[in-house]
Amino acid sequence: DIQMTQSPSSLSASVGDRVTITCRASQGIGSGLGWYQQRPGKAPRRLIYAASSLEGGVPSRFSGSGSGTEFTLTISSLQPEDFATYYCLQHNSFPYTFGQGTKLEIK
Amino acid sequence: EVQLLESGGDLVQPGGSLRLSCAASGFSFSTFDMSWVRQAPGKGLEWVSVFMGSGDTTFYADSVKGRFTIYRDNSKNTLYLQMTSLRAEDSAVYHCAKGAWLDNWGQGTLVTVSS
Repeated sequence: DIQMTQSPSSLSASVGDRVTITCRASQGIGSGLGWYQQRPGKAPRRLIYAASSLEGGVPSRFSGSGSGTEFTLTISSLQPEDFATYYCLQHNSFPYTFGQGTKLEIK
Repeated sequence: EVQLLESGGDLVQPGGSLRLSCAASGFSFSTFDMSWVRQAPGKGLEWVSVFMGSGDTTFYADSVKGRFTIYRDNSKNTLYLQMTSLRAEDSAVYHCAKGAWLDNWGQGTLVTVSS
């Protein structure tokens, strides 16, 4: 199975900051990666699929990049509603696997 | 609007069985792959299973393989997860999701495995 290592596990930042979250795959997965946001008590919401494709309705401050084994999610200018937990998911080969999550907190 | 409504979660004893349902609306259910993902209390997301719409192919996480069965009834727009030989570590909120790439999620249903 493919292991996904996500970092950091937590991150403190301020409104307006630029933040980057990274996921590394234990083997190459091409562009088979998605990013999900989960606010407390809510279902996850997809932000990015196929490594860099923005989900419809997701603000353009979110972007994804990478291929192979290293991927990043960037939020260009944090807004109050962005403080949440973020997960990556490799959707290249079964069984799919999530990263451990990154909790983004207000500084 | 895509809507996914899970049900069937309950308190069950170790070794017991449970069937979860996911009623779908707002899209052409029969043409989409459908998935289950779970989240133990205070923990991260764990991919569980997928039913591929074309060819009726299924895949499972190693942790549930041989104990869980995913299936669907396209006439009822409903996805199911039959869970047997339940263990304490299966306790979680179970979400169904549209597509193999999890484009829309339901709110989930809580399964607690405890004596």
